[in-house]
Amino acid sequence: QSALTQPPSASGSPGQSVTISCTGTSSDVGGFHYVSWYQRYPGKAPKLIIYDVNTRPSGVPDRFSGSKSGNTASLTVSGLQAEDEADYFCSSYAGGHGGHSWVFGGGTKLTVL
Amino acid sequence: EVQLVESGGALVQRGGSLRLSCSASGFSFRDSPMNWVRRTPGKGLQWISNIRTSDEGGMSYADSVKGRFTISRDDAKNSLYLQMNSLRDEDTAVYYCASDLNYSFDLWGQGTLVTVSS
Repeated sequence: QSALTQPPSASGSPGQSVTISCTGTSSDVGGFHYVSWYQRYPGKAPKLIIYDVNTRPSGVPDRFSGSKSGNTASLTVSGLQAEDEADYFCSSYAGGHGGHSWVFGGGTKLTVL
Repeated sequence: EVQLVESGGALVQRGGSLRLSCSASGFSFRDSPMNWVRRTPGKGLQWISNIRTSDEGGMSYADSVKGRFTISRDDAKNSLYLQMNSLRDEDTAVYYCASDLNYSFDLWGQGTLVTVSS
């Protein structure tokens, strides 16, 4: 069982917007501005698409956006395209006693109808 | 090419040891904190260890591997390592190395499979 809760699946038609949630606690998502999102195609390495809750790395389309409210972070994919069909998972920094730790969500399979 | 390539995964007996390696290329490895993350069918993705840059110093471990696993790095060889001892069934997973950007994982390898069997 993953530390962060994501819906197992989401879907939308081309051109639509889809939002995927990622729920944690005040010890991780709610406590830090370090939520990140990843895209993973089968058999491929994960790709960072959002970090620091809402920052896109260079080269990531602005159709991908992130936000956070309390203990829940969200990834919104606008203007859905066929190539967006992939698995998406979230991660949050969770601090630690004298060190660092991170937690992950279980992943959401996004289907473009 | 910017990439991370893991190696060293194998079938190992319960209680045994294994050393994973991660070779980095195309970016300034010495300036990057690094991580090991694993993926299991039952628990999904789990962060297991972080090592800061050699200048910063410091390592962190998940409770599930503390005292059994040791992370290290060799900046001269652009390489990251994970020494795994006292392996358990629940350590069976695909192990990824990942570089750290602002407490996120900005570059991942393809992973290496570790299977622990009795």
